[in-house]
Amino acid sequence: KQEVTQIPAALSVPEGENLVLNCSFTDSAIYNLQWFRQDPGKGLTSLLLIQSSQREQTSGRLNASLDKSSGRSTLYIAASQPGDSATYLCAVHSNDYKLSFGAGTTVTVRA
Amino acid sequence: TAGITQAPTSQILAAGRSMTLRCTQDMRHNAMYWYRQDLGLGLRLIHYSNTAGTTGKGEVPDGYSVSRANTDDFPLTLASAVPSQTSVYFCASSDPGGADTQYFGPGTRLTVL
Repeated sequence: KQEVTQIPAALSVPEGENLVLNCSFTDSAIYNLQWFRQDPGKGLTSLLLIQSSQREQTSGRLNASLDKSSGRSTLYIAASQPGDSATYLCAVHSNDYKLSFGAGTTVTVRA
Repeated sequence: TAGITQAPTSQILAAGRSMTLRCTQDMRHNAMYWYRQDLGLGLRLIHYSNTAGTTGKGEVPDGYSVSRANTDDFPLTLASAVPSQTSVYFCASSDPGGADTQYFGPGTRLTVL
């Protein structure tokens, strides 16, 4: 059974600082890994999807890396803004096409 | 394009009553999913469907049933609700075959008293 862990559970940074969010998973036999953003009381919005054959994926200020062999992914958010405040979820697609989610990291960016 | 719609937005339900949560997508995705989200536990898969006419059990299927009569709709039924089913329920879809990006609906907040 795939287990996904996100550390830290919460993070507070001043505006402009870079954010580093960590995700680890126990079974390296994955199809891909997806990072989501969730605002309070809302659904999930997909940020980045990294295929198992890729090492990283970038979109604007966001960069996600994947080290499948060690079971780790990192989401970097450059030059954080108050609008980046949200919960960030990591999810792993195992070979049976099911997504396993971490519990999330709640980010607060202070103006 | 609406994407994924869920209804109702929220509901308070008496224990022992039945309820169907509705989910409709307009993206013609083959795969659809139901998750529940609980504080401290993250999202857990309840049931899924890889294509119309097929369904499968996820991590926490007990007390829930689904059907997939067509591509667009994937209702989730609670036959006899219990307080432990109080949660936020999310429907999602993906294409092709479930390996690509999953798109989520806005969720249904269900309280069972």
